[in-house]
Amino acid sequence: DTGVSQDPRHKITKRGQNVTFRCDPISEHNRLYWYRQTLGQGPEFLTYFQNEAQLEKSRLLSDRFSAERPKGSFSTLEIQRTEQGDSAMYLCASSLDGGSRNEQFFGPGTRLTVL
Amino acid sequence: AQSVTQPDIHITVSEGASLELRCNYSYGATPYLFWYVQSPGQGLQLLLKYFSGDTLVQGIKGFEAEFKRSQSSFNLRKPSVHWSDAAEYFCAVAASGGSYIPTFGRGTSLIVHP
Repeated sequence: DTGVSQDPRHKITKRGQNVTFRCDPISEHNRLYWYRQTLGQGPEFLTYFQNEAQLEKSRLLSDRFSAERPKGSFSTLEIQRTEQGDSAMYLCASSLDGGSRNEQFFGPGTRLTVL
Repeated sequence: AQSVTQPDIHITVSEGASLELRCNYSYGATPYLFWYVQSPGQGLQLLLKYFSGDTLVQGIKGFEAEFKRSQSSFNLRKPSVHWSDAAEYFCAVAASGGSYIPTFGRGTSLIVHP
């Protein structure tokens, strides 16, 4: 399967702990996006990369959140000192480029529960 | 900034009936518009998209949507719903310039009765 993959699919952690999620995009895609989706809401944009460069960050991305895409392939999203409000589904998507080719392909998501 | 309104949180239809899911957007210029479907435990899948040209867009799984600039709408339709269409449907809008990051609506949950 050459779709977008995310690991882990589920994560339960205690408040104050750090967590890290991984996303592997479709191999030829140079854009990678992170979204957060809470219950009953649509996905909300967090950040995106063009190759290894992080080009845009949402105001939702507090200082406790950091994302990397070191070699322009997979990406990690780390949340430090988790809070109960961080409980959500974290979605990753990739696309070939922007503009008319900006069809984003989504992974299955990582569901985070902060106790 | 752009925004999307999906006024219906839940829609219930009988299998075989027609379907229309409503979507209204706010954006000053011609937007890029999308409909995605999300089934439980699955990622979002793109059903169709509008960038320019013909305002009636055909998508996968028998879905279509019509862009109406005068009404700022992009409603999704299907002539005959199947039980497997039960899912969450999201409308999204992206600015036609810049980073093309979509803004999603809150979604409409489709329930299909046999």
